[in-house]
This record gives sequence, structure tokens and C-alpha cells, in this order.
Amino acid sequence: DAGITQSPRHKVTETGTPVTLRCHQTENHRYMYWYRQDPGHGLRLIHYSYGVKDTDKGEVSDGYSVSRSKTEDFLLTLESATSSQTSVYFCAISESERSEQYFGPGTRLTVT
Amino acid sequence: AQKVTQAQTEISVVEKEDVTLDCVYETRDTTYYLFWYKQPPSGELVFLIRRNSFDEQNEISGRYSWNFQKSTSSFNFTITASQVVDSAVYFCALSELNYGQNFVFGPGTRLSVLP
Repeated sequence: DAGITQSPRHKVTETGTPVTLRCHQTENHRYMYWYRQDPGHGLRLIHYSYGVKDTDKGEVSDGYSVSRSKTEDFLLTLESATSSQTSVYFCAISESERSEQYFGPGTRLTVT
Repeated sequence: AQKVTQAQTEISVVEKEDVTLDCVYETRDTTYYLFWYKQPPSGELVFLIRRNSFDEQNEISGRYSWNFQKSTSSFNFTITASQVVDSAVYFCALSELNYGQNFVFGPGTRLSVLP
């Protein structure tokens, strides 16, 4: 299994508070991704990174920011959490932009 | 724009039956990649297969097989002699080489295999 961890695995937070989710990999893959999974929508890309300090927006990036200061870590920040951001968040990694992605275990975030 | 359709929202079969999960895609690119992922009840996402647009050979891996047909823009997945452990949500995904964002996932098909 690809070495990908996510922390925390579960979080409950209140509307308006900042939240940071962390993705850590031990595979030295160049590409990292953040997705959210919601019923009826499959997985939707939030942001991705193609190298240290190189990031780009995905399909549903509003309300989210990311940072990647090291190859192994990719952070997703919700500056001011809203109830619509209640979801399961998955991190993924890949060697290249078109190769298969390997996913972390997911983080279940509840915004009350 | 790229798009993936999985028209079957839920499928139920009895153990040992064969089942086919449909995936239809839309792309404007001539080079693209197709994927299948499995998400069992435990929640993790498991990579199953990657196929590029130039390789239309069918793939078989144990009880799993994939049928790629460019003429109908389909990449269907068949499980032969299904087992209870095959119960999961299965996602088809598409990645274009020259256009669009990264992976686009279909909405998934929930497969329930009953004993």
C-alpha cells in the first residue's frame, strides 16, 4: 500500500472556525491532490499540487486554500468553515499527472 | 468538457452471479486514461486498473475483466462469479492528456452481493 496518512481522521468543528487537514506521504510522489466526497457527487477535486509550492485549483476550490512547503506534506485549509463543507476529504498522490492516484484513508469533517 | 457517466446507481446480485458495471465517458482529447476504483464499506479507495486510449485490448485479472470500446466511449467492468467481498461502490474515472483538469470521477455504482 502507498504510504499516505491523513490527520486528523475525524473532526467536528463549529461554523466560522479555521480548520487545517494534513496529508503526509512517504512515496516521494510529485503530485498530490485533495478531494471531497459527498453522496451523489462521487469525488470532486478541490486543489492539487505538482511540486513544492506549486498548486492549482480544482473543480470546487472556493472556500479552500492549500500549501505545500515540503514534498511529503500537503495541507488543506478551510479559512472559515461552513456547514456546506461537511464532507469526507481524501488526499491522493501520483507519480505523474496522468498516472493512477493512490488515496489516503480519508478525513471525516463535520461542521456544526 | 470531460465527463464520466455511471448510469447504474445501485445493483444487487446474488453470490456467484456475473455482474457488469457500465462506464461511459466524454472527452475531446485523443489521448486519455481511464481508471476504475473500488470503495468497500470500510471507506478506503482502492485502485483497480488504468487503461490508456491507445490500448483497446481487454484486460482480465482473476475474476475481474474490463472491456474498453472507443467506438462507444465505454469502459465496462465485469465481475465473474461475484462474492460478498465484492460489495462496494465502484468508481470509473477519466484523465485527459491535453485538456481539462485532472481526474474526473463518475458518481459511482453501489454493488451489493447477497449471500
